[in-house]
Amino acid sequence: LAKTTQPISMDSYEGQEVNITCSHNNIATNDYITWYQQFPSQGPRFIIQGYKTKVTNEVASLFIPADRKSSTLSLPRVSLSDTAVYYCLVGNAGNMLTFGGGTRLMVKP
Amino acid sequence: GAGVSQSPSNKVTEKGKDVELRCDPISGHTALYWYRQSLGQGLEFLIYFQGNSAPDKSGLPSDRFSAERTGGSVSTLTIQRTQQEDSAVYLCASSSLAGGYNEQFFGPGTRLTVL
Repeated sequence: LAKTTQPISMDSYEGQEVNITCSHNNIATNDYITWYQQFPSQGPRFIIQGYKTKVTNEVASLFIPADRKSSTLSLPRVSLSDTAVYYCLVGNAGNMLTFGGGTRLMVKP
Repeated sequence: GAGVSQSPSNKVTEKGKDVELRCDPISGHTALYWYRQSLGQGLEFLIYFQGNSAPDKSGLPSDRFSAERTGGSVSTLTIQRTQQEDSAVYLCASSSLAGGYNEQFFGPGTRLTVL
């Protein structure tokens, strides 16, 4: 399984753009990159998934360079409610996801 | 439609007792996963089911832990002779198909406290 490395924590302020970068140097050709968000006392929930280049949905954008050895989750104009733990995972149809410690994002007023 | 549900939401038990945790996945989802999350930590994979079979039991911490799934739906995680280190939130998730590519839908979890 490809191992991921991401910052333990980040602080931001309301209205700012937040970028969380994850490294996955040994990502396999058939692996996809997926990000989950977890609020306190809740299970994680899927945010976004991509294979290469850029993916955007109503919540976030995901930037993946050509070598795919890293990815960046971008949250535009964060609010206090975006305070959560964000997990970066890589996996494919044939394996299970491994959730690491994630990145604790704290959004301040 | 209904999401993943888990019961009980909280369970307090005494050391040495057995506990059963239940998970009701989203209807039609063939894959079901169990994770454990200790306070302030990430998720620890325990086991997953594809239908009623469990191809990967490698994450179960010890032989005190077992899980079953019947009818391709409800799953039960059983912990025998509970220990204080078993205290954690146990999360269940389901997906339409197994595998890391497929979106997992999580339940609210069962908070287990072993006294």
